[in-house]
Amino acid sequence: NAGVTQTPKFRILKIGQSMTLQCTQDMNHNYMYWYRQDPGMGLKLIYYSVGAGITDKGEVPNGYNVSRSTTEDFPLRLELAAPSQTSVYFCASTAYSGGATDTQYFGPGTRLTVL
Amino acid sequence: GESVGLHLPTLSVQEGDNSIINCAYSNSASDYFIWYKQESGKGPQFIIDIRSNMDKRQGQRVTVLLNKTVKHLSLQIAATQPGDSAVYFCAENFGGGGNKLTFGTGTQLKVEL
Repeated sequence: NAGVTQTPKFRILKIGQSMTLQCTQDMNHNYMYWYRQDPGMGLKLIYYSVGAGITDKGEVPNGYNVSRSTTEDFPLRLELAAPSQTSVYFCASTAYSGGATDTQYFGPGTRLTVL
Repeated sequence: GESVGLHLPTLSVQEGDNSIINCAYSNSASDYFIWYKQESGKGPQFIIDIRSNMDKRQGQRVTVLLNKTVKHLSLQIAATQPGDSAVYFCAENFGGGGNKLTFGTGTQLKVEL
């Protein structure tokens, strides 16, 4: 299994541009997450999904959108990039059966710079 | 809102010594805690977890201690190696939908030869 994969690894955007960060997992996990990590900080939850067709906001959702059309994919969309969105973005997934909480497994990250 | 915090931003240890990384949490409803290791340029990597009905759990060279009375979590690394140099995060899950985690800001562990 490749686990959680993210593309691209790096991207530079101009203010006002849009882009989609891709995330795919091959572990058949039902729960998926998007986080951002600013320099020297912990991770903050942007959006999450508990299954295909179901998404919900996290702590910092403004400026982002997500969709979950399949179990495997959970893309994150930036519509009008702003310098405040310069960060490292991590996707994560977990197999949650509704019982005990389970560990989230992370992808390698996408480093985004908005100039 | 309630958050997870760490006592020390940077910890330097000699190779071979034991390391202790501390974490304070404020949400008494948290029922699951995880320690992650993050190496430079990589995503967080799971180290060990513990549920609130336990006070200690051991892994390979790592031990997590949970003190619910003072809302304190610690990660002990035995015989610290250069490869242990990284940022360590604690995270908590205090229930609610989505299995969401709240992360602390992290502790940088530096292993000196």
